[in-house]
Amino acid sequence: DAGVTQSPTHLIKTRGQQVTLRCSPKSGHDTVSWYQQALGQGPQFIFQYYEEEERQRGNFPDRFSGHQFPNYSSELNVNALLLGDSALYLCASSWGYEQYFGPGTRLTVT
Amino acid sequence: DQQVKQNSPSLSVQEGRISILNCDYTNSMFDYFLWYKKYPAEGPTFLISISSIKDKNEDGRFTVFLNKSAKHLSLHIVPSQPGDSAVYFCAASTGGANSKLTFGKGITLSVRP
Repeated sequence: DAGVTQSPTHLIKTRGQQVTLRCSPKSGHDTVSWYQQALGQGPQFIFQYYEEEERQRGNFPDRFSGHQFPNYSSELNVNALLLGDSALYLCASSWGYEQYFGPGTRLTVT
Repeated sequence: DQQVKQNSPSLSVQEGRISILNCDYTNSMFDYFLWYKKYPAEGPTFLISISSIKDKNEDGRFTVFLNKSAKHLSLHIVPSQPGDSAVYFCAASTGGANSKLTFGKGITLSVRP
């Protein structure tokens, strides 16, 4: 049983560009959450998708948007990248109280 | 506004001894608490959790204690092993299953052989 998978592993972008990150949830999980982890910090909640709708959202600007597909996989899109968007982006899937994380995508904005 | 606080950034313990990792929270609406372990270049791995209706939950070498009146929880690892060396995150949620998690900054545990 594959766990949560994310792609790509690493990404380097330039300020002002747009980026799309992808996530496939653990088998049997229908809810996907995205988190941003800056260096030396704990993960911060961006938003959560369930039944292809955004169900909860954290304190992130509208430049951060997402999508969930009928097979429960999800994308995170970030527009107009800023240097401060450099971080590890984590996807987590769940079907209950515990959330299971993927390995993350390391985004560097130069 | 840090709602989940892990005030000690690091902890070093001898192999075989007990590791105690502490976590404090300020939001009294939190009703579920989780601990995650994270190795470099990997995502956080779920370790153990506890509901606010309990004060203790045990799973093998890992035990989590919850003191609601003090808004404090702790993770005990007995006996500690070198493979336990990692960053440990405390997280909390409110509002039932699939609710967003609020994380602390993490504690780096080093277990010395």
